[in-house]
Amino acid sequence: DAGVIQSPRHEVTEMGQEVTLRCKPISGHDYLFWYRQTMMRGLELLIYFNNNVPIDDSGMPEDRFSAKMPNASFSTLKIQPSEPRDSAVYFCASSLVGGWGTEAFFGQGTRLTVV
Amino acid sequence: AQSVAQPEDQVNVAEGNPLTVKCTYSVSGNPYLFWYVQYPNRGLQFLLKYITGDNLVKGSYGFEAEFNKSQTSFHLKKPSALVSDSALYFCAVRPAPSSGGSYIPTFGRGTSLIVHP
Repeated sequence: DAGVIQSPRHEVTEMGQEVTLRCKPISGHDYLFWYRQTMMRGLELLIYFNNNVPIDDSGMPEDRFSAKMPNASFSTLKIQPSEPRDSAVYFCASSLVGGWGTEAFFGQGTRLTVV
Repeated sequence: AQSVAQPEDQVNVAEGNPLTVKCTYSVSGNPYLFWYVQYPNRGLQFLLKYITGDNLVKGSYGFEAEFNKSQTSFHLKKPSALVSDSALYFCAVRPAPSSGGSYIPTFGRGTSLIVHP
């Protein structure tokens, strides 16, 4: 398996524009997580899905953020409208069914810059 | 609520010397503990974990960690550091399922390890 695949790797956009980040989890994994990493706040969990269903989105900072998982092999994180303070590295991660004792596998991240 | 503390933002060590990256945790019941490493411009990569059994856990790249229940610690160690070990290291904890806590792991803020030639 190629691991968790995120696209794009880098995104530069202007304030007010819509941004969509994409993630393909590892096949067979039933948990999917979206994290945001900044110097100031470290690694923050935004939302996670179990079997394509959003379980906890309490980490989503504002209504401008939304996430979907239409099927087991694809998820999106959308920011509309984007703001400069959204600039960060966004990671997607997945883990295996029944995985309390299993580790999460992270994608390489999308570095978002909002100017 | 569960929490993880990595008390050092940065650890400096000379190549060839032993290294320790500290982690303490707070969780209800028994913990599941994890270490991840993040190289520049990369995602987090799993290193090792403690679930149950032997308190000394061995992982990738020669790293090991020791679970100490009385001190609620899970320090990462390596006998001889390499320059290539320079990276950001994250400790994470989640409670065992029987504890009734959240499945979601809590990550520490990370410790930057710098190994000098």
